[in-house]
Amino acid sequence: AQSVTQLDSQVPVFEEAPVELRCNYSSSVSVYLFWYVQYPNQGLQLLLKYLSGSTLVESINGFEAEFNKSQTSFHLRKPSVHISDTAEYFCAVSDQGDYKLSFGAGTTVTVRA
Amino acid sequence: DTEVTQTPKHLVMGMTNKKSLKCEQHMGHRAMYWYKQKAKKPPELMFVYSYEKLSINESVPSRFSPECPNSSLLNLHLHALQPEDSALYLCASSPRQDYYEQYFGPGTRLTVT
Repeated sequence: AQSVTQLDSQVPVFEEAPVELRCNYSSSVSVYLFWYVQYPNQGLQLLLKYLSGSTLVESINGFEAEFNKSQTSFHLRKPSVHISDTAEYFCAVSDQGDYKLSFGAGTTVTVRA
Repeated sequence: DTEVTQTPKHLVMGMTNKKSLKCEQHMGHRAMYWYKQKAKKPPELMFVYSYEKLSINESVPSRFSPECPNSSLLNLHLHALQPEDSALYLCASSPRQDYYEQYFGPGTRLTVT
């Protein structure tokens, strides 16, 4: 199973500023990559995913993530955050053909006005 | 219907009680999962059902007993729990066990007194 490292446990950011959440995983074998978001007192929602093809993936609410195979990374970015982006963000990785999602420890994003 | 539902939203139970958590999906998915999530931690996989059969038990104590009565429904029966079992219990589903994407429900917040 993969080991997933989210390098920042907490990221405070001002509204309309950019944010980057870093995620690295352990193995360079073929993987699927995900970012999930968890708003306070809610379950996990899939934000975006990389399965194959273009290494840059985008979500409908302005987030994007880039798969870098050589650096085994899948960093999440948003150029301008809103108060409503305040949440816990989890990076998750699975080896192709494996049932198991390996999660990072999570990054708490707090957006301030 | 593209969602996973869970009931109840909140549950408080004593250490001698017996209770059950329920999860339902109508997406035709044939794999269903139970996760446990402690505060500020990533979800931890407990059980996986594939085609209504228990496929994976991640060494979960026997006081947690899963059941999959049909392809749409997943239960988690609870008995003689400990206070440290207090957590958010998340259900997820995917088209099949080795499918890359899991859809999560909102969770049941369990408190054991």
